[in-house]
Amino acid sequence: GAGVSQTPSNKVTEKGKYVELRCDPISGHTALYWYRQSLGQGPEFLIYFQGTGAADDSGLPNDRFFAVRPEGSVSTLKIQRTERGDSAVYLCASSLGGGTSYEQYFGPGTRLTVT
Amino acid sequence: EDQVTQSPEALRLQEGESSSLNCSYTVSGLRGLFWYRQDPGKGPEFLFTLYSAGEEKEKERLKATLTKKESFLHITAPKPEDSATYLCAVHPMDSSYKLIFGSGTRLLVRP
Repeated sequence: GAGVSQTPSNKVTEKGKYVELRCDPISGHTALYWYRQSLGQGPEFLIYFQGTGAADDSGLPNDRFFAVRPEGSVSTLKIQRTERGDSAVYLCASSLGGGTSYEQYFGPGTRLTVT
Repeated sequence: EDQVTQSPEALRLQEGESSSLNCSYTVSGLRGLFWYRQDPGKGPEFLFTLYSAGEEKEKERLKATLTKKESFLHITAPKPEDSATYLCAVHPMDSSYKLIFGSGTRLLVRP
């Protein structure tokens, strides 16, 4: 079956602009996660959804970052007033449920470059 | 503070030369420890989950082991296609279901 998909694969934007990154999880997966990965580093947790609600948004760096999952499937990560420091690969993952026994499957990521 | 440290940062092996990657962790309590493989330009690919000290899991040329303070990923007779970055992550007891990742070990296996 299809894995986690993310669009766009690459996004270049100017400082101060607004961007939206989309994630399509594996069908039937109720849990969805966003991570951010900088060059040479491991992924860093941003937010976790169980169904439609954000169960843990403690990793969002500030109020410029926001994510939604209105129907419990597709999720959008929204970044307002982008800054050069936001440049990174944004990874989405999904799992059957929200527990350790459920493996998180990652998408290919969206590479965001803020100029 | 929950922390994951991987060593070495980079490792070059000759094809067939076995070695081990280390993942040291500090957490208040461990729900699980995960190993992922990441190829350039791709998302991490799940390899193993370990839950308790003494547990071992194997997949082809890879074997993961876990103690109370660290995990090892043993690579036996590696092939060039094993070249990738290997990431270790922990799921702490006192968190939701987020994973805390190390910085990874970049493995290069030369033919």
